[in-house]
Amino acid sequence: DVKVTQSSRYLVKRTGEKVFLECVQDMDHENMFWYRQDPGLGLRLIYFSYDVKMKEKGDIPEGYSVSREKKERFSLILESASTNQTSMYLCASSLVASGSTDTQYFGPGTRLTVL
Amino acid sequence: LAKTTQPISMDSYEGQEVNITCSHNNIATNDYITWYQQFPSQGPRFIIQGYKTKVTNEVASLFIPADRKSSTLSLPRVSLSDTAVYYCLVGGGNQGGKLIFGQGTELSVKP
Repeated sequence: DVKVTQSSRYLVKRTGEKVFLECVQDMDHENMFWYRQDPGLGLRLIYFSYDVKMKEKGDIPEGYSVSREKKERFSLILESASTNQTSMYLCASSLVASGSTDTQYFGPGTRLTVL
Repeated sequence: LAKTTQPISMDSYEGQEVNITCSHNNIATNDYITWYQQFPSQGPRFIIQGYKTKVTNEVASLFIPADRKSSTLSLPRVSLSDTAVYYCLVGGGNQGGKLIFGQGTELSVKP
């Protein structure tokens, strides 16, 4: 089974802090994604990556950056955390798109609270 | 990317069949239709995917009419453990794996 792990289930940070959220997948997937999930808004895509050192902006990239130095690891960075970034953050991975094989496998999520 | 519309919530009772319909009027030729399930405090989990007609697996069935402008997820004989949020997505065909999640349908199964 594909396994996607996230570094923390719960995280509490203060406004202005730099925050790193780590995601690791063990199935050699090319694609990796970061979403945030908020009540009433569903999942919104922040950034995604097709390959090592490659990244693409999603729908809400403002206030975030990402890093993918190794294929299995995709990091989300909040350069200066703000209270409106309090949310559930979900990481996912998938194989290279080849018709129907775009199943995304999700990690358990990190619930981040910014005080 | 095609936008999807699905009911915000649905209620059902144990043992019933549940059908959740999703509208996707702007679906593109290369788009697939995928459904995910999410339990509280967990990431979404893939349920089923299809392109046209009918797809069935051990968990659910997916019905897609010829015009592909809608699809219906069918859960046979639901149990309390099927209480979750169900997301309908279209895309993936040639968007490099990028999928758009809508608000989903919150299914509540009662005893």
